Amino acid sequence: DAGITQSPRHKVTETGTPVTLRCHQTENHRYMYWYRQDPGHGLRLIHYSYGVKDTDKGEVSDGYSVSRSKTEDFLLTLESATSSQTSVYFCAISDTALLNYGYTFGSGTRLTVV
Amino acid sequence: GEDVEQSLFLSVREGDSSVINCTYTDSSSTYLYWYKQEPGAGLQLLTYIFSNMDMKQDQRLTVLLNKKDKHLSLRIADTQTGDSAIYFCAEKSGATNKLIFGTGTLLAVQP
Repeated sequence: DAGITQSPRHKVTETGTPVTLRCHQTENHRYMYWYRQDPGHGLRLIHYSYGVKDTDKGEVSDGYSVSRSKTEDFLLTLESATSSQTSVYFCAISDTALLNYGYTFGSGTRLTVV
Repeated sequence: GEDVEQSLFLSVREGDSSVINCTYTDSSSTYLYWYKQEPGAGLQLLTYIFSNMDMKQDQRLTVLLNKKDKHLSLRIADTQTGDSAIYFCAEKSGATNKLIFGTGTLLAVQP
């Protein structure tokens, strides 16, 4: 998917455990985003980054933290996983705030919290 | 606040035209997009339209934009079974400079 890789692709974890999802890009794009996709809600923005060490909250950030120590990697951490965080998580990248080409998405991580 | 609305489901027969509709609320949006999501995959950009256009055609796809009514539509001509997917409408927020997505429309194409 245009140089964007998410890992793992699938994960099952227990309630209360921390979980980290990784987004890796080889496009040298400045902007990176984490979304979750749930039936009936579409895509909702969790956190985003506009550069190394520069991150900000999206509309559903509670229970999530992010880090971006280098351009190519954007990590999403669920500090203490809950069943409500069972979802499909997508990472996206863009190289400009113009967004005339929109975002490029990864293939997603399906997370199940039991 | 900003909101993007789509109907949840559309069923068509192979060979017919499909029209997927979307309404949005941000009148300052500069770009509007259509994404396609196939099962188990991420979202792929199908097409986009700049807000000063009212129509854009790309092979079987036609995008119509009515800025006055804040209505966007995607027409797929000669719909094929491979077009079965979820289609997301998105707008570029004038306030936050990020994309706001609709809930997605599941297009089912019957052979």
